[in-house]
Amino acid sequence: GAVVSQHPSRVICKSGTSVKIECRSLDFQATTMFWYRQFPKQSLMLMATSNEGSKATYEQGVEKDKFLINHASLTLSTLTVTSAHPEDSSFYICSASVTGGEAYEQYFGPGTRLTVT
Amino acid sequence: QKEVEQDPGPLSVPEGAIVSLNCTYSNSAFQYFMWYRQYSRKGPELLMYTYSSGNKEDGRFTAQVDKSSKYISLFIRDSQPSDSATYLCASPSSASKIIFGSGTRLSIRP
Repeated sequence: GAVVSQHPSRVICKSGTSVKIECRSLDFQATTMFWYRQFPKQSLMLMATSNEGSKATYEQGVEKDKFLINHASLTLSTLTVTSAHPEDSSFYICSASVTGGEAYEQYFGPGTRLTVT
Repeated sequence: QKEVEQDPGPLSVPEGAIVSLNCTYSNSAFQYFMWYRQYSRKGPELLMYTYSSGNKEDGRFTAQVDKSSKYISLFIRDSQPSDSATYLCASPSSASKIIFGSGTRLSIRP
């Protein structure tokens, strides 16, 4: 149980275009979903927290107009990188948790590698 | 100062060796401590979590927390090549926000 999927697993896009990444909880309802970013050989950095049906809460330094997050259902959250630039190239990972769950009960997706050319 | 510090390695040991992975943290309010394993180009998976000080064992893995020194350890016994991965220590700073260490790359030589 507690499986989280991401799609696509890898994407290459041209500079200036937008790309959408999907995060799905496959066997549970995720009240809260999280989006992380990970640069090579570095740790996961939380970008934003989204609750189903409400606006996402972004971490300091993360541009909300650039990284659009939609959490329209209890099993799906999307991250759209708008007007992507090469510096947005990174590994994006989502996680999901249930209502009232402990922090260690976040379940992580397999990640999406974004390359902007 | 980062809230969770971890030696990035890489750490290379022969198969069968005991591996010791360590982290320190700065926030004395941290209560839960987690260890994640992350294979290359994959998301992290939770290995173990502990609450407050003490030891917790799960098969070949033992997690240890010393709150007096703010020190977290993960021990792997009888290490296997399949244990080769990046290991991240972490602690939640709030009900939902997890602070991760930078990860230690571990390689087990057959």
